[in-house]
This record gives sequence, structure tokens and C-alpha cells, in this order.
Amino acid sequence: DTEVTQTPKHLVMGMTNKKSLKCEQHMGHRAMYWYKQKAKKPPELMFVYSYEKLSINESVPSRFSPECPNSSLLNLHLHALQPEDSALYLCASSQGGAGYEQYFGPGTRLTVT
Amino acid sequence: TQLLEQSPQFLSIQEGENLTVYCNSSSVFSSLQWYRQEPGEGPVLLVTVVTGGEVKKLKRLTFQFGDARKDSSLHITAAQPGDTGLYLCAGLGGYQKVTFGTGTKLQVIP
Repeated sequence: DTEVTQTPKHLVMGMTNKKSLKCEQHMGHRAMYWYKQKAKKPPELMFVYSYEKLSINESVPSRFSPECPNSSLLNLHLHALQPEDSALYLCASSQGGAGYEQYFGPGTRLTVT
Repeated sequence: TQLLEQSPQFLSIQEGENLTVYCNSSSVFSSLQWYRQEPGEGPVLLVTVVTGGEVKKLKRLTFQFGDARKDSSLHITAAQPGDTGLYLCAGLGGYQKVTFGTGTKLQVIP
């Protein structure tokens, strides 16, 4: 099973709303990632969790708050977003270490109105 | 900052033609992955190359990692409409950090 699942598939939210994106993997991977992808651009790394601890934060605004409840789950809490935050949000996981490979979920298409 | 430049940015070809996509950097990567992404979906891993000079074949796709592990290429033989998508290379550099290339959007016309 090389599947990473993400919910919801689509999300529309106002600038005053609070919402969460969810990601799950059952491959026993110990590293999980959040990426943001704008149209026709490559994914941009936001956060990396390794062994359930935040190891990389790419200077992401505090209106994005990641959470890793356990090794299989990764959440991204959203609050007071801006229209420019509209994008495809991708979750990925990997075993970690040299030569590893990242497996991506299908993404959540987020629109901020 | 590690950068990966892909060329060409866009490619529109007829079914049956051959093509090559390049991924270049001034930085050394311990491994490099190639992904294909369709609109609104996540990238799907195609291959990982680890050894300098390594060549891997996946049906009509041939991947090569440069001897110095700074560049890579993807060659597609007899392209088909199902090959249409955004092709991304991604290099593994520092601790668990992957740098994505700028992307190549391929359209194969039937």
C-alpha cells in the first residue's frame, strides 16, 4: 500500500474561518510533509515532521499551524487566511534517510474568499 | 539555496515523437526523483536515481543521473497522449529536504 490520503478534496473558506486539512498514511513512514502548490508551479515545502516532531518550518506564516498527532496522521490547521493562500495543498510521506522517496497524496484544493 | 532548473518549460508534440527533458543544478544531490503530475492531483513518483551515471528504464521512459550527480534527464520514446502532464524532478540535498525543479509541462497531441 503506497497510498497517502487527504481530506477534504476541495475546501472553500472565508478569511475569518478556521478549518483543518487532514493527511493519513499507513506505510509506516516516519517523515511527513506539507507542500503548497500554485498553478503551473512546482510544490513549495512548508513543513517537515520527522518521528512526529517538527523538523523543518520554511518560514510559513503563523496562520498555518501543523500538527502531527501520531506517526500516521498529519493535520494543517488554517485560520485567518488570505486570498493569496488559495492553492493546492499536498501532503507527502517518506521513510526518511538518504535515497528515500516521497509519496504524495492527491491534495486539497483550497480557495479563500 | 539549491536550485533545479528544468528545460524546456513547455513542450507540445505529436503522438509518436521522441522528447528529452533536462534537469540541471550547480549543487550535488544524494539522489534525484522524477514525478509526473496531472492537473488537480498530487505528483506520482516515476523513478529514483542514486548513483552518478546511473541509467534506469521504465518502459518507454529512460532516466539518467549525471556523473557528478548535479543533473538528470528524462527521455520518452514514442510519446503517447497518456504521457501528458507536468514533469518534475526533485533532488534530495540536506536533511530530509527535497528541492523541486521548475517543471516541464508536456502535451502530447493525438
